[in-house]
Amino acid sequence: DARVTQTPRHKVTEMGQEVTMRCQPILGHNTVFWYRQTMMQGLELLAYFRNRAPLDDSGMPKDRFSAEMPDATLATLKIQPSEPRDSAVYFCASGPRTKDTQYFGPGTRLTVL
Amino acid sequence: AQSVSQHNHHVILSEAASLELGCNYSYGGTVNLFWYVQYPGQHLQLLLKYFSGDPLVKGIKGFEAEFIKSKFSFNLRKPSVQWSDTAEYFCAVTLDTGGFKTIFGAGTRLFVKA
Repeated sequence: DARVTQTPRHKVTEMGQEVTMRCQPILGHNTVFWYRQTMMQGLELLAYFRNRAPLDDSGMPKDRFSAEMPDATLATLKIQPSEPRDSAVYFCASGPRTKDTQYFGPGTRLTVL
Repeated sequence: AQSVSQHNHHVILSEAASLELGCNYSYGGTVNLFWYVQYPGQHLQLLLKYFSGDPLVKGIKGFEAEFIKSKFSFNLRKPSVQWSDTAEYFCAVTLDTGGFKTIFGAGTRLFVKA
């Protein structure tokens, strides 16, 4: 049963530190999404890629967030410098096509002190 | 602006009660529609989806949803809920805007009393 994997599952860091979250999409999926989930804002799309190319990152604060896909098996989301308001659960999802079902990973729970 | 609205943020039901969760979207073009479920401590997973054809779609665990194009709605239903249906339910809409953009609703937390 193929699954999206994310590491780390939990991260506690101090304000100003760099945070890197990693995602391994399901093999064969060509679309990868990054979401942020908070109680206040719900599930927000940060960015998504198709065939490793960024298609939309309009939901991402550009000054501190960056998302990349160095290869087809790895997507990364970096925050530098991190701030307490970045505390949230970050989900990665992958899909066979942009408009089709998204398969979510278990999430990274980030706490910035 | 395009948006997805879920009318109820919290729903509490007793076992065997019927469930209907509302979802409306604001977009006049082509859409794909989804309901996802997030059980406590777990990741989101697909409950059902609609792309085209019969507007009444059936999903896993006895859930179904009906697409009413004229009302821009895609409501989720289940005739008789179980305690194990306690979860958060998200409606999602993928818009065909030339590219594709997926918008999630705010979610509805369902608590089923045993």
